[in-house]
Amino acid sequence: EPEVTQTPSHQVTQMGQEVILRCVPISNHLYFYWYRQILGQKVEFLVSFYNNEISEKSEIFDDQFSVERPDGSNFTLKIRSTKLEDSAMYFCASSGGTGPSYEQYFGPGTRLTVT
Amino acid sequence: GQQLNQSPQSMFIQEGEDVSMNCTSSSIFNTWLWYKQEPGEGPVLLIALYKAGELTSNGRLTAQFGITRKDSFLNISASIPSDVGIYFCAGQPLNAGNMLTFGGGTRLMVKP
Repeated sequence: EPEVTQTPSHQVTQMGQEVILRCVPISNHLYFYWYRQILGQKVEFLVSFYNNEISEKSEIFDDQFSVERPDGSNFTLKIRSTKLEDSAMYFCASSGGTGPSYEQYFGPGTRLTVT
Repeated sequence: GQQLNQSPQSMFIQEGEDVSMNCTSSSIFNTWLWYKQEPGEGPVLLIALYKAGELTSNGRLTAQFGITRKDSFLNISASIPSDVGIYFCAGQPLNAGNMLTFGGGTRLMVKP
């Protein structure tokens, strides 16, 4: 069964450094998302991406964040200058294609630790 | 923004018991989804609900989309140890594209 994959599984970085989190969505999906989950808390929406542009973004998704679909398979989240409070699990999700666009399938996540 | 209130926060039950959890909101949602998350993993989609009043089953799981479109419940019948995890409701708000708002989760523990 197709699934969303994410790399790396765990990223440790120093405050102020740039990080890029990578995702390969399900191949026929058209909508792509990033969510984050701070330890012990609920999942929070960051951004959605469709037709090569951002369609919605939350207040969390400020100028430090950017997303890109550099080729036909990858979807990336970049944090330009990481802060301690960016430490969280980051989940990529995808939807659409032959299925309903609102049935979002999540990857296993990247644990980001900012020290 | 829209808030989803999920209850209970946690449940500790005996294997074989039925479980019920719910989500409520003051806002209307287009779609309700229920996910299960196990430690160190991403949320796994269990059930998706598209219409007010809809009742949908997936094996031992049953979920309903409330008539007012402001609530949903999930029932698990005859629980087994592998049902352990955190269950999240998620709703697609009106006029907000495909973004999902998540509830706070219900942690389910099952005693064999």
